[in-house]
Amino acid sequence: GAGVSQTPSNKVTEKGKYVELRCDPISGHTALYWYRQSLGQGPEFLIYFQGTGAADDSGLPNDRFFAVRPEGSVSTLKIQRTERGDSAVYLCASSLNGVLAGFGTGELFFGEGSRLTVL
Amino acid sequence: KNEVEQSPQNLTAQEGEFITINCSYSVGISALHWLQQHPGGGIVSLFMLSSGKKKHGRLIATINIQEKHSSLHITASHPRDSAVYICAAAMDSNYQLIWGAGTKLIIKP
Repeated sequence: GAGVSQTPSNKVTEKGKYVELRCDPISGHTALYWYRQSLGQGPEFLIYFQGTGAADDSGLPNDRFFAVRPEGSVSTLKIQRTERGDSAVYLCASSLNGVLAGFGTGELFFGEGSRLTVL
Repeated sequence: KNEVEQSPQNLTAQEGEFITINCSYSVGISALHWLQQHPGGGIVSLFMLSSGKKKHGRLIATINIQEKHSSLHITASHPRDSAVYICAAAMDSNYQLIWGAGTKLIIKP
């Protein structure tokens, strides 16, 4: 597609359930980022993929959160045993190259986000 | 003190006015991003700057590396420009972006 696509756009779930959020980056973009934005706050970094590997997952809040990008394109963010505090908009972005020093910096393209509500 | 600070936090202006949003940072960076977020919407990247000035339509972004300061200007502002504008710094040694708090802009017709 022409832009970064995220699905679902909205997800309502119950506390304790498992959730998967999908990000389809721009074709050819090697770098992919997940952020979480709570109401009234700026985006919070979660994880950065360069190709298939998670170059940095230090932003994942705890071991209930996990993300994969098995073929270096589509990524799935997985949240186990959801809690009410997980409610947020989960944003995905991609760039042609990573912003890692040495690769140069890449313009970021964001998806529309997936709004997760945990009841 | 936040490493990336934006001003003003809120800005209301009349249609047609020239708008300036400022961003100051206290760390070494490799680039600075300006992004736009509409209420309930996703984030759109406007500019990525490492030096000088960029222009796209009615939007102009400048950066002064020595002064660690960047500005986003909107000429001939229009109500559809109403959004939150965010600057985010990509650091030299850290690819995680450091986000400013955002500037909420409202343009009245």
